[in-house]
Amino acid sequence: DQQVKQNSPSLSVQEGRISILNCDYTNSMFDYFLWYKKYPAEGPTFLISISSIKDKNEDGRFTVFLNKSAKHLSLHIVPSQPGDSAVYFCAASAKAAGNKLTFGGGTRVLVKP
Amino acid sequence: DTGVSQNPRHKITKRGQNVTFRCDPISEHNRLYWYRQTLGQGPEFLTYFQNEAQLEKSRLLSDRFSAERPKGSFSTLEIQRTEQGDSAMYLCASSRLQGTEAFFGQGTRLTVV
Repeated sequence: DQQVKQNSPSLSVQEGRISILNCDYTNSMFDYFLWYKKYPAEGPTFLISISSIKDKNEDGRFTVFLNKSAKHLSLHIVPSQPGDSAVYFCAASAKAAGNKLTFGGGTRVLVKP
Repeated sequence: DTGVSQNPRHKITKRGQNVTFRCDPISEHNRLYWYRQTLGQGPEFLTYFQNEAQLEKSRLLSDRFSAERPKGSFSTLEIQRTEQGDSAMYLCASSRLQGTEAFFGQGTRLTVV
């Protein structure tokens, strides 16, 4: 069973516009959520995270929103830049489970100049 | 460079051979995780260590797989009698004991021919 799902496999956006990536989860034990960015043949790079006790966290161009009742989170990138083109993974963890990460399947983002 | 280091970056091996990968975590990080990523999927958890103790193993980790973390520093992941289905990117990550963000290495790409 997929506990973390990213239902959009790809997203294309114009440079300067907003990119919105979505993620849904099913396990109520998850208490921390993270977004990673991945380029081909490289390991994931940590972007931004949010604790389950918050509903928003912002870091520069990146903002993560958490709707705990809907078990849904989203990543907003604004403004989008060509260098943002990559695969983005949503991940969730539970302190009680050693903070091991459960990943979604990823969303490939293409930012067009 | 104080990031997570993985060696080798690429490994091509014949079916039936044994392979071993190494991961050097960020030096002050107590926890070390192994993940596997196949094409088009998100990374999947394999196992993790807290210092030298292996605390959890996924059911993905068949008895052909073994991981060690002697002295709580670097870790090795060995695959015995490799099969074509073992072809994947093997990722190592580390985090602080109370940390929620895990930082990944560049990965080891294994190809079994």
